[in-house]
Amino acid sequence: DSGVTQTPKHLITATGQRVTLRCSPRSGDLSVYWYQQSLDQGLQFLIQYYNGEERAKGNILERFSAQQFPDLHSELNLSSLELGDSALYFCASSLTEQGAKNIQYFGAGTRLSVL
Amino acid sequence: AQKVTQAQTEISVVEKEDVTLDCVYETRDTTYYLFWYKQPPSGELVFLIRRNSFDEQNEISGRYSWNFQKSTSSFNFTITASQVVDSAVYFCALSPYNQGGKLIFGQGTELSVKP
Repeated sequence: DSGVTQTPKHLITATGQRVTLRCSPRSGDLSVYWYQQSLDQGLQFLIQYYNGEERAKGNILERFSAQQFPDLHSELNLSSLELGDSALYFCASSLTEQGAKNIQYFGAGTRLSVL
Repeated sequence: AQKVTQAQTEISVVEKEDVTLDCVYETRDTTYYLFWYKQPPSGELVFLIRRNSFDEQNEISGRYSWNFQKSTSSFNFTITASQVVDSAVYFCALSPYNQGGKLIFGQGTELSVKP
C-alpha cells in the first residue's frame, strides 16, 4: 500500500458529463501529481500541485482542471467528457516540490469509462 | 526534446530465465533522475528504483539489477531467475531536475513469465 488514496476506483459516465476524481496524498507529502494512462497515449503527466499551488502543467486539456485544498487533498475535474477521455487516472504524491529528488508514490488509480 | 524509449513492447520468458528490459532516454539536461516502476495486473504503479544522472554505479537488489550508462543514455533493468510473480508491465521514466518533478514515461514493456 503506497499510502496514496484515490476515490472512486471506477467511474462510468456518459459523454458531455462532468466528474470529479479525488486524491489524498501520503501523510506528510506536500506535492500531488495527476497522470492519465490510456492505450494510445500511454502514461502522461497532467499537472502538479505543491502545498496548494500549481507548480507544473503537462498535457492537460482545457476541459480538465485540478486543485489542491488546504488539507492537501486534490481533486481533478473533468468536464464535457468525450469517449477519448476514458482512461486510468493516477494520482501520485511526493514530499517536496522538486519531485525529481523525491520518489513519487502512486495511488491505485481511478478507471474512468465514458459511454 | 525529452523522451524515453522502451523498444520492447512484450517479452515472454519461462520461469527461472534471466530477462533484461531496455530503456533509452533523451534529454539535454545534465541533471536528471531515472526511475523504474512496475505495474502488476492489479493496476497500481509500484516504485522500484531511482538513480540520478551523476551516479553511474550499477545497483543490485535481490534478483533485480540496473545498469545505468550515461554514454549510451541507457538505464536497463535485469531480473535474474524470473518468477511468475514478476509478470507485469515495467515502465522506465525520466524526471528532468528543474521541471517540477514530472515523470516522462516510456511506453512500457509487458513481461510475461510462464511456469
